Amino acid sequence: DTEVTQTPKHLVMGMTNKKSLKCEQHMGHRAMYWYKQKAKKPPELMFVYSYEKLSINESVPSRFSPECPNSSLLNLHLHALQPEDSALYLCASSQGPPSGRLDTQYFGPGTRLTVL
Amino acid sequence: AQSVAQPEDQVNVAEGNPLTVKCTYSVSGNPYLFWYVQYPNRGLQFLLKYITGDNLVKGSYGFEAEFNKSQTSFHLKKPSALVSDSALYFCAVRDGRDDKIIFGKGTRLHILP
Repeated sequence: DTEVTQTPKHLVMGMTNKKSLKCEQHMGHRAMYWYKQKAKKPPELMFVYSYEKLSINESVPSRFSPECPNSSLLNLHLHALQPEDSALYLCASSQGPPSGRLDTQYFGPGTRLTVL
Repeated sequence: AQSVAQPEDQVNVAEGNPLTVKCTYSVSGNPYLFWYVQYPNRGLQFLLKYITGDNLVKGSYGFEAEFNKSQTSFHLKKPSALVSDSALYFCAVRDGRDDKIIFGKGTRLHILP
């Protein structure tokens, strides 16, 4: 089973709203990722958690706040977003260290976010 | 710095014909290479990966990829295309030193009935 689930599938929010995106995996993976993808573009890495600790933060604006409550769950808290933040937000997971070269990221279906 | 290049924005192939989606890479050490496919309004699906060993890697849905070290290429291939193969294909490379993978810009594959 290589399933990563994400909720909600679609989200429309105003610039003053606070919302959260959720991601879950039950593959025993210890690394989880958030990506942002604009239309017809490759995914852009936002955050990486490894063993529930933030290991990579790609200088993402503070209006995006990640959280990893446990090894199976990953949240992305959203606050005061801008219309240009509208995109597909993808979660991924992988075995993480020490799998090294064997590591493969598996992606969820994404949350389509629209900021009005 | 590691990178991958997908020189074609779009590839059109007639159904039943063989298909190739091109990818070249640039890495300083050993390349760990991946192909992903994305259907409309969906996440990325893992197709196959090259780590080491056989230069011909077999993956999901009848796809395979050929690793060529001298040409620094990792082209995706399928002997007989299906209309359902129409999608956006991403080549990616991973640096063994950390958790990041770098994606190419993507190639849109159109299989014509």
